[in-house]
Amino acid sequence: AQSVTQLGSHVSVSEGALVLLRCNYSSSVPPYLFWYVQYPNQGLQLLLKYTTGATLVKGINGFEAEFKKSETSFHLTKPSAHMSDAAEYFCAVRNNAGNMLTFGGGTRLMVKP
Amino acid sequence: EAGVAQSPRYKIIEKRQSVAFWCNPISGHATLYWYQQILGQGPKLLIQFQNNGVVDDSQLPKDRFSAERLKGVDSTLKIQPAKLEDSAVYLCASSLGSLTDTQYFGPGTRLTVL
Repeated sequence: AQSVTQLGSHVSVSEGALVLLRCNYSSSVPPYLFWYVQYPNQGLQLLLKYTTGATLVKGINGFEAEFKKSETSFHLTKPSAHMSDAAEYFCAVRNNAGNMLTFGGGTRLMVKP
Repeated sequence: EAGVAQSPRYKIIEKRQSVAFWCNPISGHATLYWYQQILGQGPKLLIQFQNNGVVDDSQLPKDRFSAERLKGVDSTLKIQPAKLEDSAVYLCASSLGSLTDTQYFGPGTRLTVL
């Protein structure tokens, strides 16, 4: 069975500060990993994904994440937060038997002016 | 390109009533998913279709939930009878079809059971 743990259900940063959202996973097979963002009253939008190859993955809106197998982590970062980044962020792992995603509990990012 | 469409966006019912949700995936997407997202939690997969066949429904509470995807395009998810704990956002997603394809999500239907 696979699982995803997102440390910190709420993260608050100042505008212009570094954003770091943590994600750890457990998987019995090499994982495919995803970060999704959810704005209020909207569906989930894919930020980035890791499948194979380069472990540093760049996504939309200036976000990136690094797959670290030894730490079973896939933390999401952005050098400088914007007010528009305020949203809920979900990390997910995909099993290899199908395309089933297992999501973490989410982290709500708040950006202070 | 049009996204995944869902209706209604909001629904309020009383417990023991029935409710149905509709999803229209992105054109050409063979795989369709229904997720349940309880407030404060991540989405949980309920059922996955490949064309009009069920791939995975292991987490669908089959005593009260049912879903179908006639003709391999639109899908409906039904709850009968609803319980208070069914209050959640029901998300529909679709993907082209292969195992590595990105899932695209609709805006969801927010269900409140009183």
